[in-house]
Amino acid sequence: NAGVTQTPKFRVLKTGQSMTLLCAQDMNHEYMYWYRQDPGMGLRLIHYSVGEGTTAKGEVPDGYNVSRLKKQNFLLGLESAAPSQTSVYFCASRGSYQADTQYFGPGTRLTVL
Amino acid sequence: KNQVEQSPQSLIILEGKNCTLQCNYTVSPFSNLRWYKQDTGRGPVSLTIMTFSENTKSNGRYTATLDADTKQSSLHITASQLSDSASYICVVTGSDDYKLSFGAGTTVTVRA
Repeated sequence: NAGVTQTPKFRVLKTGQSMTLLCAQDMNHEYMYWYRQDPGMGLRLIHYSVGEGTTAKGEVPDGYNVSRLKKQNFLLGLESAAPSQTSVYFCASRGSYQADTQYFGPGTRLTVL
Repeated sequence: KNQVEQSPQSLIILEGKNCTLQCNYTVSPFSNLRWYKQDTGRGPVSLTIMTFSENTKSNGRYTATLDADTKQSSLHITASQLSDSASYICVVTGSDDYKLSFGAGTTVTVRA
């Protein structure tokens, strides 16, 4: 049981390049989330999904797109990276009940030059 | 404005000592409050979760309290260990099940 895994762990992009971050969970969770974490700030929700085939915008969705084609995977895409997107990105998943624990992945550190 | 404020921003304590972290929130209506521990370079890990009707919850040497009337919570670490060095994050869930409000965290450094 690997929990929540993220690929890649580190990445450096040039402004304007695109990339996709992959999140996978093996706990059969319905809910999945993408967050970004910046120094001195709490985690901020980018997009989330309440089930396979569904996605919704979070607090800071601009510049990002997501897809949930399979229940176990949640992809975060950057179509044209900007320096403001330099951050640490965390994926998380949770069961169907509100009191269920939210499990986080190890994070992806992205630098946009 | 962040709806979850944590204090202090950071603190240093000696191994074996106790410490208390504070969390004030304005999220309303309130559903539950969680405390997470985040080690450097890792994702957050859940320590406790409390609903409106609970006012204390323990997990080993970690004890969380909640006062829903004053919208305050605290996390008490007893007999600190070097492995307690981490950032501790307070997270509040409101009526919107899918959104969680995160505090900026308190960084705890335990020194031998």
